[in-house]
Formats: sequence, C-alpha cells, structure tokens
Amino acid sequence: GQSLEQPSEVTAVEGAIVQINCTYQTSGFYGLSWYQQHDGGAPTFLSYNALDGLEETGRFSSFLSRSDSYGYLLLQELQMKDSASYFCAVMNSGYSTLTFGKGTMLLVSP
Amino acid sequence: NAGVTQTPKFQVLKTGQSMTLQCAQDMNHNSMYWYRQDPGMGLRLIYYSASEGTTDKGEVPNGYNVSRLNKREFSLRLESAAPSQTSVYFCASSSIYEQYFGPGTRLTVT
Repeated sequence: GQSLEQPSEVTAVEGAIVQINCTYQTSGFYGLSWYQQHDGGAPTFLSYNALDGLEETGRFSSFLSRSDSYGYLLLQELQMKDSASYFCAVMNSGYSTLTFGKGTMLLVSP
Repeated sequence: NAGVTQTPKFQVLKTGQSMTLQCAQDMNHNSMYWYRQDPGMGLRLIYYSASEGTTDKGEVPNGYNVSRLNKREFSLRLESAAPSQTSVYFCASSSIYEQYFGPGTRLTVT
C-alpha cells in the first residue's frame, strides 16, 4: 500500500518563506504531485515532480528526492491568499491514480 | 469551457435512501475519478475509470457503485445511504500529470 506523511499545520507571516515536507512509502512510484485547496473549494494542481531535483513555478517550488522518498513544497514571498491546505500525492504505477496525504493547513498572518 | 461539473452541490438524505451524484467533463480526458474528503483524512479514492467502458475500485469502494456513461460523464451511486457516507464528494478528470477537480457535492446522511 501507499502512505504519505506531512505536517498537519504550519504557520507563517506575510512575506516569509515556508517549506512543507512530505515523506512517502509506496510501491510503483511514478512521481510526486502537490495540490492546493482553499477552504470549501476544489483542489487545484500546483506541481509534479517525476525526477530528482527542484521545479520552480513562480513563487512556488517543489523538490523530490526519490532515494530518500521525500519531497517538499516551498512557498516564497507568502501572501494572505496562500492560506489554504496543501496536499502531497503520489502518482501510482501506470499514471492511473493518485494517493493523497492528509494535508497541511497553512495559515499566513499579517 | 466549464471544466469538471458536478450536481447536486448539496444533498441531505435519510439512512437507507439512494441517490446518484453526477459528474461531467468537457476536456476530452480519458480518466475520471471519484473521491471523498472527510476532516483530517485528505482525499480518498472511491472508484476510477481509466477510459470509457472501464471502472476500477479505489481505496474505499464499499457502499458505492459507478457508471462511466460515455467519455464525458462518470456517475457515483449510493444504493442505501449510511451516516458514515456523510462527506464531501469530488469528481476529477485527468491529463497525464494533472487532475482537475469539480466543485464538490456536500452530502449529509441523517
């Protein structure tokens, strides 16, 4: 089976940098994705890492180390609108399904 | 281009009642999914359909059935609702790396 671990809650202030870690145990690993969900809303895709290293998309970056079964999402220049839940998800073999972590609630304060 | 749509948005059922949740996508995706989201549990896969005409069980399929009506539509049926099925249900479709989620159906079973 698959299991993912991520912190349940992280707090930070506007303008700061925050890192949300994710460790996973899985078979048939194809890649690690990150999704954002604002309260009551639909999850939206942020990033996907298939290979080791850092992927940057604007203020958000995502990192993967396959040998360590570890990844993280880095959010820079935090804004109030970044307050949301962030989920890591493992893409399973054949690209067919995702297994999600339980999510990290990020609270950005002024 | 509406993306992924779901109906209804809200529903209250009594124990033992049945209902069908509807989902449609207009992105010509082959793969579609049904998830449930409970507080502190993240997103858990109920059923998925990798292509028109095929369906497969996910992590939590008991008490549910699905139909992939055509490439656009994927419905989820609760034959005899139970209070444990009180949850938020999300439908999604995917390109290879990214899943697109509908707005969700908030279901309460009393």
